[in-house]
Amino acid sequence: QVQLQESGPGLVKPSQTLSLTCTVSGGSISSGSYYWSWIRQHPGKGLEWIGYMFYSGSTYYNPSLKSRVTISVDTSKNQFSLKLSSVTAADTAVYYCARAYTAIPRAWFDPWGQGTLVTVSS
Amino acid sequence: DIQMTQSPSSLSASVGDRVTITCRASQGISSYLNWYQQIPGKAPKLLIFAASTLQSGVPSRFSGSGSGTDFTLTIDSLQPEDFASYYCQQSYSTPITFGQGTRLEIK
Repeated sequence: QVQLQESGPGLVKPSQTLSLTCTVSGGSISSGSYYWSWIRQHPGKGLEWIGYMFYSGSTYYNPSLKSRVTISVDTSKNQFSLKLSSVTAADTAVYYCARAYTAIPRAWFDPWGQGTLVTVSS
Repeated sequence: DIQMTQSPSSLSASVGDRVTITCRASQGISSYLNWYQQIPGKAPKLLIFAASTLQSGVPSRFSGSGSGTDFTLTIDSLQPEDFASYYCQQSYSTPITFGQGTRLEIK
């Protein structure tokens, strides 16, 4: 079965770029009707969709973050990545990667990575 | 953006109870509504997709219904492992949005 695992720095300084990678195991990132997704959860709060990408290049971003977000896929490594620029304390959150089954407009997230806490602080 | 509003925000119940959580969309979303369970410290887990289809491996005590703007998640005969937070999510239009969550606690 497909499993996802996030990796990256747990501490990022304000104004810098947050970079995370999600490694996919148990299946190919370039197969099926799946979009590869990032979702975050501020401490003690709800879930916020950041965006997702199809392996061939189609991307959808949350407009609230679009100017600062880049999601990319590396099929050779079976990984996808998130870059969020110009971070502030408001970007402190647990970041999840997830596979989205998508037959637009249907989209649901399963499975999810375990999540990684990223703190923005000097 | 489509706003998803869950009620109640928190709920106390006992093992064996039947509980219902409601999710209301700010505009019609057909049946493009999914439900997740999140145990504290863990990632969300998909329970129901397309409003009423149970994800493989999810116990049959979970059920979902609704279409348009009003949806419900029902848990029959609560088990100890069901005490968690629950979130609805719409995919009718981007940005994909989630409800604020319902915290289900043991009475």
